[in-house]
Amino acid sequence: GENVEQHPSTLSVQEGDSAVIKCTYSDSASNYFPWYKQELGKRPQLIIDIRSNVGEKKDQRIAVTLNKTAKHFSLHITETQPEDSAVYFCALRGGGKLIFGQGTELSVKP
Amino acid sequence: GAVVSQHPSRVICKSGTSVKIECRSLDFQATTMFWYRQFPKQSLMLMATSNEGSKATYEQGVEKDKFLINHASLTLSTLTVTSAHPEDSSFYICSARAPGTTYEQYFGPGTRLTVT
Repeated sequence: GENVEQHPSTLSVQEGDSAVIKCTYSDSASNYFPWYKQELGKRPQLIIDIRSNVGEKKDQRIAVTLNKTAKHFSLHITETQPEDSAVYFCALRGGGKLIFGQGTELSVKP
Repeated sequence: GAVVSQHPSRVICKSGTSVKIECRSLDFQATTMFWYRQFPKQSLMLMATSNEGSKATYEQGVEKDKFLINHASLTLSTLTVTSAHPEDSSFYICSARAPGTTYEQYFGPGTRLTVT
């Protein structure tokens, strides 16, 4: 089945720096790529998503880029803040369901 | 809008007993709901897709006789963990597909199950 590889598994940055998380996939038919933020013990929250007909999408400090040819998509967080600390999951829609990456634990140090 | 609730938020049960978890879409009708399991420091793993009025579709490796799913109405899906064992202890999260779209899903707050 479809697989999503997410890197890095942990990421530590200084407040104000940028953070980048990357996911790669194999199924070229995938057409929806959301990113979720999950705080400990809470539900995943959609922070941004992109569809296959778009190469980049931005929402304030968060941006996602998609390279369908290379089959990878990335989350970019600029001007990171301590409250950005959480686990981030990429996902894609394959076979009518969401398939999640392994997650990245982001720590933003003040 | 598009709020999904789960009940209970936490449950502790003894080994060998069954426990039921409810997932409700509060302000929309959800023909499709999804059940995930998440172990500590791991990703969300889809267990099954629940369709209103029909049998659930289980992912490979998920025992359908152990994890009973019932989607009896457009706003309620239930997951029953039967004959629970300590290894079933996990965070169970449901989600519902947003109305009018085939993409976005809204997640419930999750249920922490501890089997002693």
